[in-house]
Amino acid sequence: AQSVTQPDIHITVSEGASLELRCNYSYGATPYLFWYVQSPGQGLQLLLKYFSGDTLVQGIKGFEAEFKRSQSSFNLRKPSVHWSDAAEYFCAVGANRGTGANNLFFGTGTRLTVIP
Amino acid sequence: DADVTQTPRNRITKTGKRIMLECSQTKGHDRMYWYRQDPGLGLRLIYYSFDVKDINKGEISDGYSVSRQAQAKFSLSLESAIPNQTALYFCATSDSGRATDTQYFGPGTRLTVL
Repeated sequence: AQSVTQPDIHITVSEGASLELRCNYSYGATPYLFWYVQSPGQGLQLLLKYFSGDTLVQGIKGFEAEFKRSQSSFNLRKPSVHWSDAAEYFCAVGANRGTGANNLFFGTGTRLTVIP
Repeated sequence: DADVTQTPRNRITKTGKRIMLECSQTKGHDRMYWYRQDPGLGLRLIYYSFDVKDINKGEISDGYSVSRQAQAKFSLSLESAIPNQTALYFCATSDSGRATDTQYFGPGTRLTVL
């Protein structure tokens, strides 16, 4: 069965510091992996996704993520965090149930606080 | 205008009341989804729909029902609300059934059941 683990519930970083959010997945087939961001009072917005090819994926807002099959990980990184990056971040794996369904299985989220 | 809208944005109701949450989209997508978000649990899928004639249960469908009135509209109903249905509810859409597809989310409805 598919599952996603985000080990860090809450992370605090200083503005300008680098960021890495961890994500580990469990899935029997080729994983399709996503990072979404939820800003306060907003819905979820896609940051980036990986489904094949280059294992380093570039996304919006200066984020990138690296797929490591050997570690079952898809960690999100940003070299220099801005105060506007404060939000909740969700990693998800896309699983096709073979019936035409495209279902996302989400991790529990990591809340990012940015201090001046 | 937003591509995926949800009404109401906030709702407080009492135990035993029937309540409907509505979702509309202008993206022209066939696939629509309802999720609930609880602190520490992430998002969990309640129901999803391929088109107006196809409705499927997700992980946590008990206590909920849905209606796909048109390609653009997908409603979630709580027939008899209970306090543990207090949560943030999201509607989402996608273009097709591929697992690589992006899902587009509405802003959410915060529901409180007293």
